[in-house]
Amino acid sequence: EDQVTQSPEALRLQEGESSSLNCSYTVSGLRGLFWYRQDPGKGPEFLFTLYSAGEEKEKERLKATLTKKESFLHITAPKPEDSATYLCAVQGFQGAQKLVFGQGTRLTINP
Amino acid sequence: DADVTQTPRNRITKTGKRIMLECSQTKGHDRMYWYRQDPGLGLRLIYYSFDVKDINKGEISDGYSVSRQAQAKFSLSLESAIPNQTALYFCATSDPYLAGEYTDTQYFGPGTRLTVL
Repeated sequence: EDQVTQSPEALRLQEGESSSLNCSYTVSGLRGLFWYRQDPGKGPEFLFTLYSAGEEKEKERLKATLTKKESFLHITAPKPEDSATYLCAVQGFQGAQKLVFGQGTRLTINP
Repeated sequence: DADVTQTPRNRITKTGKRIMLECSQTKGHDRMYWYRQDPGLGLRLIYYSFDVKDINKGEISDGYSVSRQAQAKFSLSLESAIPNQTALYFCATSDPYLAGEYTDTQYFGPGTRLTVL
């Protein structure tokens, strides 16, 4: 069974203080690993897809990386507007290509 | 205008009532999904449809049914609502290929907050 575990559950940083969020996964053949951002009361907003170990993608202050067992979402010099819950999901080649989500990391950036 | 819309956005109902949540999309995607989100449990798949004639159960389909009325419309029904169906419900769409490259990125609607008393 495909599984995703995100850590920490919650993270509070000062503005400008860089850090990383972790997504550990087990999947029978990784088709893709997805990162989403979710603001309170809103739907998840797509950020990145990673397909193979060693791949990296960047968007503004965010960089996502992938190994065979985990993915990291690095946030560099964050701003208060980066506060949100970040969700990780995996899609395997088995299981009709469904996404399996982790519980998310709630990130708060204090000014 | 939003690509994926959900109605209603908020709904309060009573135990035993029949409820329908509707989802419409203008992205032209064939694949559509219904999820529920509960605190601490993340997003869980209820039903999914890869085209108008294809309907599949997800991991938590008991107590729910769906209807794919058209490529752009996918409705979720609770035949007899119960309090533990109180949750945030999200519709999503995807297209497995974009410009010839595999992606299958799912795009989510704004959600419906359902409360069952």
